[in-house]
Amino acid sequence: AAGVIQSPRHLIKEKRETATLKCYPIPRHDTVYWYQQGPGQDPQFLISFYEKMQSDKGSIPDRFSAQQFSDYHSELNMSSLELGDSALYFCASSEGGKGSYNEQFFGPGTRLTVL
Amino acid sequence: QKEVEQNSGPLSVPEGAIASLNCTYSDRGSQSFFWYRQYSGKSPELIMFIYSNGDKEDGRFTAQLNKASQYVSLLIRDSQPSDSATYLCAVVYNQGGKLIFGQGTELSVKP
Repeated sequence: AAGVIQSPRHLIKEKRETATLKCYPIPRHDTVYWYQQGPGQDPQFLISFYEKMQSDKGSIPDRFSAQQFSDYHSELNMSSLELGDSALYFCASSEGGKGSYNEQFFGPGTRLTVL
Repeated sequence: QKEVEQNSGPLSVPEGAIASLNCTYSDRGSQSFFWYRQYSGKSPELIMFIYSNGDKEDGRFTAQLNKASQYVSLLIRDSQPSDSATYLCAVVYNQGGKLIFGQGTELSVKP
């Protein structure tokens, strides 16, 4: 079965640079979530989109922005990168319209390293 | 206090034994509960989800939910070394569906 696709899988950036992470949800999934997982920590919710509209916002820095496009893929844009942004970034997708009763399936993640 | 609490472990069980993983949550309005398995450096993999009080079984896995006690657990029967991983409990509070994770329990199954 098709899974969530994320690109790139690994990304190395310098401080103050920008990065763009991409997420392609499972076919027919219209909801996308972004999570950040630091070393030894649990995943922290950043932001979510349902039917191309932002549906919820978590602990996402103002330096980050995201959007969902007409084909339901999503991009997370990160500017003025800091050392503390080094983490695994996961995208998860689900079928919308189920409220809280939706199973989220995670992509393989993008490992971002900021030097 | 973290919204979702798990024992960090490590929890060590012999091969073939039952592993019991526990999770408590603080918000009584929590609506749905998920267990994810995560191998080091990999993404969380959905194992079980449960919405109603009681037990839910799927193969070697059983999820148990007690909303009155704000407690959810995962039992793994006939544990295998390949089950060695970190198990994340996650809770959804609202219609937006965002997952709030516990810190995870590291499980080690010894051959």
